[in-house]
Amino acid sequence: AQSVAQPEDQVNVAEGNPLTVKCTYSVSGNPYLFWYVQYPNRGLQFLLKYITGDNLVKGSYGFEAEFNKSQTSFHLKKPSALVSDSALYFCAVREVSGGSYIPTFGRGTSLIVHP
Amino acid sequence: DGGITQSPKYLFRKEGQNVTLSCEQNLNHDAMYWYRQDPGQGLRLIYYSQIVNDFQKGDIAEGYSVSREKKESFPLTVTSAQKNPTAFYLCASSISDYQPQHFGDGTRLSIL
Repeated sequence: AQSVAQPEDQVNVAEGNPLTVKCTYSVSGNPYLFWYVQYPNRGLQFLLKYITGDNLVKGSYGFEAEFNKSQTSFHLKKPSALVSDSALYFCAVREVSGGSYIPTFGRGTSLIVHP
Repeated sequence: DGGITQSPKYLFRKEGQNVTLSCEQNLNHDAMYWYRQDPGQGLRLIYYSQIVNDFQKGDIAEGYSVSREKKESFPLTVTSAQKNPTAFYLCASSISDYQPQHFGDGTRLSIL
């Protein structure tokens, strides 16, 4: 079975500081990994994905994530946070072969960037 | 612009009433999904469809029904059997199972 954990319900960071939103996953084989962002009363927007290849993935709005197979993690990062980055962030995982082809979503992490 | 349109944005249900949430996409995606979002619980899968005229139950299908008569459309009916329907409902589509999902802007359902 596949699962994903976002251990922090909320992350607070000052504008201009680096930010990290954590995600760990569990699959039997290899994973497809995704990050999405959700603004209030809106749907989820895709940020970036890891399918294969380079462990450092760059995505939209200056975000990046590092795939770490040994630690089964896919943390979302940004070098310098903006107030406009404040939103709800979701990590999702899908096992490459076998199991369900439907991605499993984490419970979400609320990012608050203070001016 | 291609995308997913959900309507209405807000919906109110009376006791014993069935209501239908609309989801239309013009992305030519084969797969479509319905999720329920409650505060602090992430997204829970209600139903999904990989192809026209076929759909499968997700994790919380009880009290809901769907149809997939056209590739572009995947309406969700919240029946009177769903005793706690108040939630934010999200529709999504994807071109394949390893590509990201595209989401609509949701329908917020409340009980009158």
